[in-house]
Amino acid sequence: QKEVEQDPGPLSVPEGAIVSLNCTYSNSAFQYFMWYRQYSRKGPELLMYTYSSGNKEDGRFTAQVDKSSKYISLFIRDSQPSDSATYLCAMTGISGGSYIPTFGRGTSLIVHP
Amino acid sequence: NAGVTQTPKFQVLKTGQSMTLQCAQDMNHNSMYWYRQDPGMGLRLIYYSASEGTTDKGEVPNGYNVSRLNKREFSLRLESAAPSQTSVYFCASSESTVSDEAFFGQGTRLTVV
Repeated sequence: QKEVEQDPGPLSVPEGAIVSLNCTYSNSAFQYFMWYRQYSRKGPELLMYTYSSGNKEDGRFTAQVDKSSKYISLFIRDSQPSDSATYLCAMTGISGGSYIPTFGRGTSLIVHP
Repeated sequence: NAGVTQTPKFQVLKTGQSMTLQCAQDMNHNSMYWYRQDPGMGLRLIYYSASEGTTDKGEVPNGYNVSRLNKREFSLRLESAAPSQTSVYFCASSESTVSDEAFFGQGTRLTVV
């Protein structure tokens, strides 16, 4: 079992829909939780990060962490075709004295007009 | 702002050939990473360097070697390429604290025939 599980999709939604992307994890040492967005043939870019349980909102995006359930979510409101990308969850915990980001497989999101 | 620069962007190798992927960052980051990304597998850590002068194995190090040449540069070498090493390779860098964002290069698309 991978430390971070994420459904690869693809997830296809109409423009304007609310999108929910999720990851589960098994390592209790993870402390910071991040969402990266990756457009086709590009490198991933950080979208949001959160620390500990709770919600964080940034425009149309909300990141949610439930450490007790080892479950994180990213919600996208009023989704746009420009949101079509792969979304990777990532978590950071200490390993051998260093903080190493561990990534999920990524969920491919398609928002159609 | 160059950020993280990878060279080359594309490469085709024959089985058994060797090559070095170059990575340089201009953000004065302590930590650097090499990931490979395969369909359905997400980003998998090959090697990382927590600071100048140190390197450590990640999840999938077999068949690869790395060199942290200085604080800016972190190279990945394939000594004898195999078709299983066909992938997209990403270099990333970050400060060494738990909450720091990883910045990615644009990737190197490697095909081994």
